[in-house]
Amino acid sequence: QSVLTQPPSVSGAPGQRVTISCTGSSSNIGAGYDVHWYQQLPGTAPKLLIYGNSNRPSGVPDRFSGSKSGTSASLAITGLQAEDEADYYCQSYDSSLRVFGGGTKLTVL
Amino acid sequence: QVQLQESGPGLVKPSETLSLTCTVSGYSISSGYYWGWIRQPPGKGLEWIGSIYHSGSTYYNPSLKSRVTISVDTSKNQFSLKLSSVTAADTAVYYCARDRTWIQLGSSGYYMDVWGKGTTVTVSS
Repeated sequence: QSVLTQPPSVSGAPGQRVTISCTGSSSNIGAGYDVHWYQQLPGTAPKLLIYGNSNRPSGVPDRFSGSKSGTSASLAITGLQAEDEADYYCQSYDSSLRVFGGGTKLTVL
Repeated sequence: QVQLQESGPGLVKPSETLSLTCTVSGYSISSGYYWGWIRQPPGKGLEWIGSIYHSGSTYYNPSLKSRVTISVDTSKNQFSLKLSSVTAADTAVYYCARDRTWIQLGSSGYYMDVWGKGTTVTVSS
C-alpha cells in the first residue's frame, strides 16, 4: 500500500490530453508538502518531470504541467506523443519520509 | 553536469549484507545537498530507502531502518548503502540520487533531481 494513491493505468490517443491523479492525506500533501513527478521510460531510471507541484526542470516540454489542491495533485500531459508512453510517479513528504505513489502506466493508443 | 553511478555486487546470498556505492561526478558532495538511495523491485514501484546529508546526518525509511546504514566518503566523492540480513524480497534495482530540499512560502519538501542509471541486485543462493 503506497502512502500516495495513483491510478494504475491511463491511456490516450496521440494529440489528446491526459491527467494522472495523486491522492494523499493530511499528513503529507494536505500538510503543505509539495508534490513532485517523475517519468520512467521502459528500462530506464526515473527522471524528474515536475518539482514543487508545477515547476518544470530545464528541458522538460511545456506539454507537461502539474497542480496541487488540498490533499491531491495532478499531472497533465497535452498533445500526447508516442514517446510519452512510460510510468509516472508522484512523490511527497510524510513524517520524515520521502513517499512515492504506486505509479501510473501511461499507454499511448 | 552532475552524474551519479551505482556500483556493487549484482548477486548477494540470503542473510548476507548488500553493499553498494554511488560515485558522484560533476559536483562535490561536501558542498551540500542530501544524497539518497531508492529501490524498485521487479515490476513494482519506487521505495525510498534513506538519505544522508553531506555532513553525515542520516534519515531512513522506518520499514528498513534496523537493517540499513548509509554513509558518505567526501574524500572519494561517494556515498554508500549497506543492507543487512537480506532476503529475496530485497531483490530490486537500486538507484542513487541527489535529494534536494524544496522550500517556498507555505510549503516544503524534498525531491530527487539527478538519478543514477541503477544497478540490479538479486538475492539468491
